[in-house]
Amino acid sequence: GDSVTQMEGPVTLSEEAFLTINCTYTATGYPSLFWYVQYPGEGLQLLLKATKADDKGSNKGFEATYRKETTSFHLEKGSVQVSDSAVYFCALSSSGGSNYKLTFGKGTLLTVNP
Amino acid sequence: NAGVTQTPKFRVLKTGQSMTLLCAQDMNHEYMYWYRQDPGMGLRLIHYSVGEGTTAKGEVPDGYNVSRLKKQNFLLGLESAAPSQTSVYFCASSYPGYNQPQHFGDGTRLSIL
Repeated sequence: GDSVTQMEGPVTLSEEAFLTINCTYTATGYPSLFWYVQYPGEGLQLLLKATKADDKGSNKGFEATYRKETTSFHLEKGSVQVSDSAVYFCALSSSGGSNYKLTFGKGTLLTVNP
Repeated sequence: NAGVTQTPKFRVLKTGQSMTLLCAQDMNHEYMYWYRQDPGMGLRLIHYSVGEGTTAKGEVPDGYNVSRLKKQNFLLGLESAAPSQTSVYFCASSYPGYNQPQHFGDGTRLSIL
């Protein structure tokens, strides 16, 4: 079955540091890949997505590249801000099914200190 | 921009009580989903619906029922609440297609005593 593995947290960084959150996946067919962000007390918001191999999703300074050869979709940001503190979820939606459900990683808590 | 609205936001129940969580979306999405979020577990799919009048089981359906009588609404019911159902519940909706992102509500925090 489908699965997503993302790096364990929590991750604590200083403002302006470089961020990487690793995500690897196992899926049938050709999945679409997503990063969602959850701020405290809120629901999940789509951060970025990529729908085919070598696609790069980007938003708000965050980037992730769909690497089929390594089955990875690592999230990166060059300079984090305090406002980026949140939980980040990697997820996939597989073309092998009909319900288009999302399979999530367990989430990575990021804390950015001033 | 209402998007996906969940009610209530918080609720405390006693074991054995019943309740219904309401999800409403105003984006004309065909697909709707109910997830639960537990610490260290990510989100797990409870039930989903691919259109008005249809529902199907997800990964963790036991103890829950759902109904989709109108396209814009998706109800999640707990017939006899158990402490193991203490969780944060999220509703989501989307257009059909595995490359379509899901849009989430802000969640319902449910505690079963």
